[in-house]
Amino acid sequence: AQTVTQSQPEMSVQEAETVTLSCTYDTSESDYYLFWYKQPPSRQMILVIRQEAYKQQNATENRFSVNFQKAAKSFSLKISDSQLGDAAMYFCAYRSANNAGNMLTFGGGTRLMVKP
Amino acid sequence: GAGVSQSPSNKVTEKGKDVELRCDPISGHTALYWYRQSLGQGLEFLIYFQGNSAPDKSGLPSDRFSAERTGGSVSTLTIQRTQQEDSAVYLCASTPYVSSYNEQFFGPGTRLTVL
Repeated sequence: AQTVTQSQPEMSVQEAETVTLSCTYDTSESDYYLFWYKQPPSRQMILVIRQEAYKQQNATENRFSVNFQKAAKSFSLKISDSQLGDAAMYFCAYRSANNAGNMLTFGGGTRLMVKP
Repeated sequence: GAGVSQSPSNKVTEKGKDVELRCDPISGHTALYWYRQSLGQGLEFLIYFQGNSAPDKSGLPSDRFSAERTGGSVSTLTIQRTQQEDSAVYLCASTPYVSSYNEQFFGPGTRLTVL
């Protein structure tokens, strides 16, 4: 079974600064997808960014980028120019490319606080 | 268009009572997932529906939990004889069809509190 670990329960960043959230995972599969989701107080999970394991190039979405290290099974999220609206819980998630249901396996989450 | 909706938003019940949680997926989405988020923890998979196929119930924690999906659309998660450890946020997600790449669209969840 796959596991996802987020070792930082809480992180804090100054507005306009850069912060990196860590995620490691364990799998024996070679084909899979990785995701970062944001969960604000409204509880609605919002997809921030996704990465295909077969792609070497790191995904980027505006101020959000990832550092995907397949050999190390590491998938960190970098948020540049942090904004107050970035404050939320962030979850790293794994999804097999082979499992029929393709359900997500989540890490325990990191609470990000943004200081004005 | 409308997103995934869930009802009720909050539910408080007494230990031993049965509860039903409802999920309305995005119209046309064939795959539907239920997840549970216990306090301060990540989400854990409960059950998955795809079209008319038999559901994948591998994540259900006990036989007190069941779910059905009528007409390939609305889904109901039922918890019988609720226990305090069932207190959590129950999230529903849907996707157009089953694909590892497809984004799962989440509803706002139902917060269940068992007294």
